[in-house]
Amino acid sequence: TQLLEQSPQFLSIQEGENLTVYCNSSSVFSSLQWYRQEPGEGPVLLVTVVTGGEVKKLKRLTFQFGDARKDSSLHITAAQPGDTGLYLCAAYRRGSNYKLTFGKGTLLTVNP
Amino acid sequence: DSGVTQTPKHLITATGQRVTLRCSPRSGDLSVYWYQQSLDQGLQFLIQYYNGEERAKGNILERFSAQQFPDLHSELNLSSLELGDSALYFCASSKGGTPSTDTQYFGPGTRLTVL
Repeated sequence: TQLLEQSPQFLSIQEGENLTVYCNSSSVFSSLQWYRQEPGEGPVLLVTVVTGGEVKKLKRLTFQFGDARKDSSLHITAAQPGDTGLYLCAAYRRGSNYKLTFGKGTLLTVNP
Repeated sequence: DSGVTQTPKHLITATGQRVTLRCSPRSGDLSVYWYQQSLDQGLQFLIQYYNGEERAKGNILERFSAQQFPDLHSELNLSSLELGDSALYFCASSKGGTPSTDTQYFGPGTRLTVL
């Protein structure tokens, strides 16, 4: 059983469209992170959220941490081809002894 | 460029063999993490070292071992390789030893193919 479930697994959209991807779990997390990974490269941290209900914005990307700290969403406004990549969520559980657990990711393709 | 370097970029070997992957962390970072990424399992945490000492262990097989040297570079040793060990192996580094508060910077990875 995957600790972090990401949906959808694949998403292909046209440039200019909006989209939301999700990261869900039955566990409570002390913090949650979103990464973007481009082909042939390692993941790059986009944001860390730590407070239930927290909303963070990074240009056209909006990240939200659920009130119960069990889930998160990433919304992209007016997607561009440069947003193409694998979006990974990762989280720590309390008492996880420093282990960062990753979801399997959402592979986003933005077509020009 | 994250500042984390990994060598080699690609590695092709045969079942039963042993390989060593190398990682140099960003200047000033004391922690090194190793991850394995495969299509079916996703990105899996293997092991963390902080300032030369093992700090946390994840889903690392007994056939795998790692160490961090006094100059803080790290090596991941994979032995008795099996077809299922084919994957991308990433190293990440951070300044401190607490991943929940420290940003991890990932290297470009080593793609291991076991034939």
